Amino acid sequence: DSGVTQTPKHLITATGQRVTLRCSPRSGDLSVYWYQQSLDQGLQFLIQYYNGEERAKGNILERFSAQQFPDLHSELNLSSLELGDSALYFCASSTTSRADTQYFGPGTRLTVL
Amino acid sequence: SQQGEEDPQALSIQEGENATMNCSYKTSINNLQWYRQNSGRGLVHLILIRSNEREKHSGRLRVTLDTSKKSSSLLITASRAADTASYFCATDLYNNNDMRFGAGTRLTVKP
Repeated sequence: DSGVTQTPKHLITATGQRVTLRCSPRSGDLSVYWYQQSLDQGLQFLIQYYNGEERAKGNILERFSAQQFPDLHSELNLSSLELGDSALYFCASSTTSRADTQYFGPGTRLTVL
Repeated sequence: SQQGEEDPQALSIQEGENATMNCSYKTSINNLQWYRQNSGRGLVHLILIRSNEREKHSGRLRVTLDTSKKSSSLLITASRAADTASYFCATDLYNNNDMRFGAGTRLTVKP
C-alpha cells in the first residue's frame, strides 16, 4: 500500500459527459502528479501540482483540468469525454517539487461508452 | 512524448534465470528511476539512480547508468514467478520537474 488513495476505482460514463477523479496524497507529500495510461499511448504525464500551485504540465488536453486544494488532495476534471479518453488514470505523490521518487495510487479506470 | 525507451518490449525467462532490461533516453537528466507495474495496478518505485552515479544495488536488483550513451540497464537476478510484471524506466528532464516514462518491458517469469 503506497499511502496514495484514489476514488472512484471504476467509472463508466457516456461520451460528452464530465467526470471528476479524486486523489489523496501520502501524508506529508506536497506534490501530486496525474498520469494517463492507455494501451496505445503508454503512461503519459498530464500535470503536477506542488503545495496548491501548478508546477509542470505535460500532455494534458484543454478539456482536462486539475487543481490541488489546501488540504493537498487533488482532483482531475475531464469534460466533453470522448471514446479515446477511456484509460487508467493514476495519481502519484512525492515529498518535493522535483522529479524524485513518486508513490502511485491504485488508479481509476475510466470507460467512456 | 516519451523520453525513455525500454528494450526489449517483452521478455520471457525461467524462474532462477537473470533478466536484463535496457532503457535509452534522449536528453540530459538529473536522475533515472525504475518502476514495476503488476497488471492493471499502480506503479511501484524500485530504484533511483542519479546522473553522477554509475551503479546501484537493491536486493536482487542492479541498475547501471551510462550518461555518455544515455542508457540504463536493470538486472534482476535469480528471478521468481512473482517478478512477472511490466518494468518502466522514467527520466526527469534536466531543469524540468516532470518525469517521462518509457513504454515498458513486459517480463514473464515461468515457474
